[in-house]
Amino acid sequence: EIVLTQSPTTMAASPGEKVTLNCLASSSVSYMNWYQQKSGASPKLWIYGTSNLASGVPNRFSGSGSGTSYSLTISSMEAEDVATYYCLQLSSYPWTFGGGTKLELK
Amino acid sequence: EVQLVESGGGLVQPGRSLKLSCLASGFTFSNYGMNWIRQAPGKGLEWVASISSSSSYIYYADTVKGRFTISRDNAKNTLYLQMTSLRSEDTALYYCARRTSMDAWGQGASVTVSS
Repeated sequence: EIVLTQSPTTMAASPGEKVTLNCLASSSVSYMNWYQQKSGASPKLWIYGTSNLASGVPNRFSGSGSGTSYSLTISSMEAEDVATYYCLQLSSYPWTFGGGTKLELK
Repeated sequence: EVQLVESGGGLVQPGRSLKLSCLASGFTFSNYGMNWIRQAPGKGLEWVASISSSSSYIYYADTVKGRFTISRDNAKNTLYLQMTSLRSEDTALYYCARRTSMDAWGQGASVTVSS
């Protein structure tokens, strides 16, 4: 089983601040998906295939990475970005999610 | 508009069974693989099971293998999750999600396993 470790677990960012969330895989994966989950809501596909933004995702978001190291970056933090972000690997079964990064507003 | 609506959740005693349903609309259900994902209270997401569009390929997480069965009825646009031998650790909100990329999610069905 591929274990995904997300860091940091929790972070707070100020409006306008650049934010980077990390996802480290225990073995190499082909690509990474990211999901945004706001409090009390269902998760939403946010980034797929490592770097492709899902429909409706603001372009201040970007994704990058390869092999075992992936990241989600917000170029300029906004209040609406407060949420928990999960990475997901689909390269091998069992599919696994990271533990999530809770992003708060400072 | 793509819609996924889960139902069938509830309170069940340990060792008993429960069957969840996910009714799909707004897309051609028979063309897409489907998934179940769960989230224990206050915890992260856990993939549970996946089924291909024609039910030819089925996969399970080790934590539910042998106890849960995923199935689908393309004529009824419905995905199912039959859960047996339920344990307290199966307590969670169960989501269905469309295709490998999980590009659409339902609102979830709550399952509580407790005596």
